[in-house]
Amino acid sequence: NAGVTQTPKFQVLKTGQSMTLQCAQDMNHEYMSWYRQDPGMGLRLIHYSVGAGITDQGEVPNGYNVSRSTTEDFPLRLLSAAPSQTSVYFCASSYRPREEYEQYFGPGTRLTVT
Amino acid sequence: SQQGEEDPQALSIQEGENATMNCSYKTSINNLQWYRQNSGRGLVHLILIRSNEREKHSGRLRVTLDTSKKSSSLLITASRAADTASYFCATSPTDGANSKLTFGKGITLSVRP
Repeated sequence: NAGVTQTPKFQVLKTGQSMTLQCAQDMNHEYMSWYRQDPGMGLRLIHYSVGAGITDQGEVPNGYNVSRSTTEDFPLRLLSAAPSQTSVYFCASSYRPREEYEQYFGPGTRLTVT
Repeated sequence: SQQGEEDPQALSIQEGENATMNCSYKTSINNLQWYRQNSGRGLVHLILIRSNEREKHSGRLRVTLDTSKKSSSLLITASRAADTASYFCATSPTDGANSKLTFGKGITLSVRP
């Protein structure tokens, strides 16, 4: 299994541009989520999904959209990038949407917005 | 907002020494997890301890949980240079939605050869 994969690894955007961060998992996990990691801030939950067709907001959802049309994929869309969205983005998944299951993280996407 | 707060923020020890890291949280939890993050990589799950457990071991890792003090500690015994990483505690509050893990800001551990 490849586990959780994320593309791209690095991205530079200009303010106002849009893009989609891709996330895929091949473990048939029900639960998927997106976090952003900023220096000194730890990880903050952006959006999550408990199954195909179901998404919900996390702690910092503004400026981001998600959809979950398949079990495997959970893309994160930035509609109009802002410098405040400069961060490292991690996608994670777990077997079931319950807290007793460990989360598997992807390698991250480092995004810079100028 | 951060539910878990790790302490200390940074820790530097000599190889072979033990490393103790602490995590405090604010609200009642279902379980607490510890993760490790090597530089430039994603987080890796280390261990989960449930609210009805007091201590758990996994290899060189020992985790304790004191729900009365709302705190947990992670002990790494006989540390190695490869243990150099950031360590995060993550909690699932009982009043929150399932799987909405809340991570602390992390502890940076440096193990000197």
